[in-house]
Amino acid sequence: DSGVTQTPKHLITATGQRVTLRCSPRSGDLSVYWYQQSLDQGLQFLIQYYNGEERAKGNILERFSAQQFPDLHSELNLSSLELGDSALYFCASSQSGKGYGYTFGSGTRLTVV
Amino acid sequence: KNEVEQSPQNLTAQEGEFITINCSYSVGISALHWLQQHPGGGIVSLFMLSSGKKKHGRLIATINIQEKHSSLHITASHPRDSAVYICAVKETSGSRLTFGEGTQLTVNP
Repeated sequence: DSGVTQTPKHLITATGQRVTLRCSPRSGDLSVYWYQQSLDQGLQFLIQYYNGEERAKGNILERFSAQQFPDLHSELNLSSLELGDSALYFCASSQSGKGYGYTFGSGTRLTVV
Repeated sequence: KNEVEQSPQNLTAQEGEFITINCSYSVGISALHWLQQHPGGGIVSLFMLSSGKKKHGRLIATINIQEKHSSLHITASHPRDSAVYICAVKETSGSRLTFGEGTQLTVNP
């Protein structure tokens, strides 16, 4: 157990639907990063939050949004899902917002049918 | 051209062999990570390097900042080392990671 908890582990949903992925960072870590791993794109950075504030944005679609709550857990919301959104979604956390000392969660495998 | 390139893409070895995976990058970095991903998906951080060399058990990671190159070595490889090994860099500006495409390692008994 890395200390970063992601739920659910697996999710199967239909096109056009909306899902929420959840991440609880390792105790003491203030920063949360979301990454998408698809077969054709590899691992891509989506978005970073630090202590509740958005810190950096990557290749995140407008249909996707995220937030970090006061208890530091984070949620990634994916809406109007398309087949191409099928991927592994990873959350990672670090103590600072500077990107050192990453700990990854085990990922959520999203399948859009 | 990708900012982070790994070689080889695929590597098959016999148990006990010495293995080297290479990573080259084209941007200025403040840290480089080596990650391991087993079938089933979970990612484990093996090393974070900003200079020199680190060793953990049978794994050794080195980095040459001037040459923008890092290597991951596995000594006395074992079938349980079979996994995808991913190089990721933290650019000097920013905190996110940029990833290589990964090296699929298979160690046969």
